[in-house]
Amino acid sequence: QVQLVQSGAEVKKPGASVKVSCKASGYTFNSYDINWVRQATGQGLEWMGWMNTNSDNTGYAQKFQGRVTMTRDTSKSTAYMELSSLRSEDTAVYYCVRAITYWSFDLWGRGTLVSVSS
Amino acid sequence: QSALAQPASVSGSPGQSITISCTGTSSDVGAYNYVSWYQQHPGKAPKFLIYDVSYRPSGVSNRFSGSKSGNTASLTISGLQAEDEAHYFCSSYTTTTSVIFGGGTKLTVL
Repeated sequence: QVQLVQSGAEVKKPGASVKVSCKASGYTFNSYDINWVRQATGQGLEWMGWMNTNSDNTGYAQKFQGRVTMTRDTSKSTAYMELSSLRSEDTAVYYCVRAITYWSFDLWGRGTLVSVSS
Repeated sequence: QSALAQPASVSGSPGQSITISCTGTSSDVGAYNYVSWYQQHPGKAPKFLIYDVSYRPSGVSNRFSGSKSGNTASLTISGLQAEDEAHYFCSSYTTTTSVIFGGGTKLTVL
């Protein structure tokens, strides 16, 4: 079955970091880029950046530059997104998504809730 | 960069057609034919509906169609069904090689 399976919910304190994993199955992992999109409760979608799973090249939204790092382990068909210096506004569901082009996302993980609270 | 502008809500009766607009600028929607649409039911991940303005992925009903004129893209749903009640989001590639989403539209089937 073609799917992206994400790690479980996290609770973090302000200033901490979080690393979310996304394991791909049912397709060739390094044939598609992985992007990350987040959604605060009751809010819209926000694009965070992309990673080429073949070359390890990345591109981040300006808003997250310096705070986000996207990596992958091809031996595990797994992508990772690490967000540092967390603040309460980072509380959201984080989705990993498979990109069929730079701009279209055909496969979504179920999302990982990251809660930031003191 | 501000989100693409979508109406907060639209509604329609079963069997009717509705259209959701998505307005951007000449740096995103107007720059390329790279607009996508997603459907999201409560508590679920978004589902891929439309890509490259008007193309449907395999398995998506032909009741969903997309178009674009200038800086505004549109999603039309014909023959409304109760299961269409959801949030709909547009997205576009931008001239700064990023992706921008719309704020989302809640569709209510009356």
